[in-house]
Formats: sequence, structure tokens, C-alpha cells
Amino acid sequence: SQQGEEDPQALSIQEGENATMNCSYKTSINNLQWYRQNSGRGLVHLILIRSNEREKHSGRLRVTLDTSKKSSSLLITASRAADTASYFCATDAEQAGTALIFGKGTTLSVSS
Amino acid sequence: GAVVSQHPSWVICKSGTSVKIECRSLDFQATTMFWYRQFPKQSLMLMATSNEGSKATYEQGVEKDKFLINHASLTLSTLTVTSAHPEDSSFYICSARDSDGGFYNEQFFGPGTRLTVL
Repeated sequence: SQQGEEDPQALSIQEGENATMNCSYKTSINNLQWYRQNSGRGLVHLILIRSNEREKHSGRLRVTLDTSKKSSSLLITASRAADTASYFCATDAEQAGTALIFGKGTTLSVSS
Repeated sequence: GAVVSQHPSWVICKSGTSVKIECRSLDFQATTMFWYRQFPKQSLMLMATSNEGSKATYEQGVEKDKFLINHASLTLSTLTVTSAHPEDSSFYICSARDSDGGFYNEQFFGPGTRLTVL
């Protein structure tokens, strides 16, 4: 079952601009995670934000979480061509031991 | 971080044959592993949860007799695609949770296996 919905589905920007991706989910969560995937490759874990956290930073990444709206956003600042990839949010349910459920993803294209 | 490996990284097979994919946790024990499938330009869809020493739990719509899962040890789970057909061509990704990781334990992903059925 897939419960996350990303918005937008595709995003094209110029190098140096900021990219914002949004994710909505349906059920209560333990934490929410963001992953990057280059075309045809495996997943790269970017950041994890717990249900009791509202904002988290990691380098050029900023993630917010609003559990009342069941939504999260990923902001990539000063984007680079190397940031071109698909980005997925994944939710970790409150029930321990359950699988991460992935959103549909946002395809980001950064042109130089 | 913890490492999960998959073997093979890619496989091409003829229609009707069976293919086995291995998923190993290299430096931690995993009582639970997960198998996902990803079609081109789509997201990861959970196929099944693999529990060490017990039967796997399959998601709705996933044929358990076609996708055989065996979690024989705390570091190895296998997915066998039986009588593969072209529509089974996909990217298969496994993941594992560290058994000692506690409630906030991270889920570690393998690099994926690209299956092409001719």
C-alpha cells in the first residue's frame, strides 16, 4: 500500500535556485524519511524527521513536518546539477517493525 | 551506517524460468526484511515482509506462490520469482531493520536487482 503523495510530480529549475517538494500522508507515523534516487540506481537516505520534531536541517537540506496536516516538505537550497534525481518521502508507521511506505516521488531536474 | 547487499545486481532470464535474488545484512542482524518492487518511473511498492523463521506476509495483490520468500537466517532473505514473465521485469529492492535498533531503528536498503525477463 502506498500512502504518500508528493507534490509536484516533476520540477525543473536552474542551478542556484531552491527546490521545494511536498509530501502528504494518511496515517499516524513514527517518523518520516526522505530519499534520493538517481535514474536506475539504488536509494540514498537523506534525512529522517521524527514525529515529535517540526524541522530538521542537514547541509543544504531542510525538512519540515506538520503532523496535524500530515504533511512534510523538503527544501534543497542553492541547487546543483548533481541534485537531479527523483526524491521520495517514506513514512514509518507507529507500529514497530512495519515497512516504510513510499510516496510517488518528485522528479527534480536542475539545469546549469 | 549498516550495509545491505543484494545479489545479483542485474539478471536477464528467459520467460518461464525462475530467478532467485538474495538480500543480506552484512554487519547487523535483521529479524525483519522487506521486499519492494519498482517499475520504471514509478515509486517503490512494498511486496512483502519477510520474518526470520516464519512465513512472509504479502501485500494485497502480490502472489505468494509466484514470489517465494525465504528468510532462513538473521542475515539472509531470498526472493524467488517463479515462472517469470516479461511483466515481472522490474527493479527489486530489499531492506532490513536492525533487530537491536529499538523503536526508532532505521531501515537500510540494498542497492537493488534489475530483472529483465525476455
